[in-house]
Amino acid sequence: GENVEQHPSTLSVQEGDSAVIKCTYSDSASNYFPWYKQELGKRPQLIIDIRSNVGEKKDQRIAVTLNKTAKHFSLHITETQPEDSAVYFCAASPGNQFYFGTGTSLTVIP
Amino acid sequence: GAVVSQHPSRVICKSGTSVKIECRSLDFQATTMFWYRQFPKQSLMLMATSNEGSKATYEQGVEKDKFLINHASLTLSTLTVTSAHPEDSSFYICSALTSGEQFFGPGTRLTVL
Repeated sequence: GENVEQHPSTLSVQEGDSAVIKCTYSDSASNYFPWYKQELGKRPQLIIDIRSNVGEKKDQRIAVTLNKTAKHFSLHITETQPEDSAVYFCAASPGNQFYFGTGTSLTVIP
Repeated sequence: GAVVSQHPSRVICKSGTSVKIECRSLDFQATTMFWYRQFPKQSLMLMATSNEGSKATYEQGVEKDKFLINHASLTLSTLTVTSAHPEDSSFYICSALTSGEQFFGPGTRLTVL
C-alpha cells in the first residue's frame, strides 16, 4: 500500500513567520493530496488539497505544492498566528483510500 | 460542510466483551466510509474501507474477525470490536466520503479494562 512520510514531527515558529511541512509518498497512483488540521481533542478538518494535475494551490495564508516526479508535496503557512497551533497531517489517496503522514505538531509562539 | 456523527463518544468495557461504534452521515449519503485508529500523539491509521451493500476492505494487519464492519445503509456504518482486550484501547474515528472529500466524525475513545 501507500507509504506517506512527513517531516518535521514538531515545529515551533514565531508569530508572523512562515511554517513549512513536507511529505513524501510512494505510490505513483496517488492523485489526490489533502492536508488536515487537528486541534487537541477534535476531529481532523480539511484545510487545503491538491490534485495531481496541479503543481501549486493557494488559499489566503495557506499554500500547497506538489512535485509528482519526486513524489513529494509541501504545506506552506505564511504570517502564522497562534490559532494556527495544531497537529497537521498530510495524506495521499491512490483511489478511494486515504493514507496519512505521521503528523506535525506546530506551535506558533506569540 | 457535511456533518458526520459518531456514537458513543466514550466507552469503557471489560475485557472479553464486544463494543459497537456507529458512524452516521447526517446530511448526505455516503457509499464509502472509512474507519481509522489513532494512538495518542500519532497519526490516523486506516483500518478498513466500508462500502455500502458489500463487504468491507481491510488494510493489511487488521483482523476482519476482530473488527467487524457493517455498512447497511447509505448513512450508517458500524464498527464492532469483538472480544475486546486492553490493547484495543484507542481512539477510533470514522469518516464519510462525498464528492471526493472525506469528513470526519468526532471519534470514539475506547478503554478496555
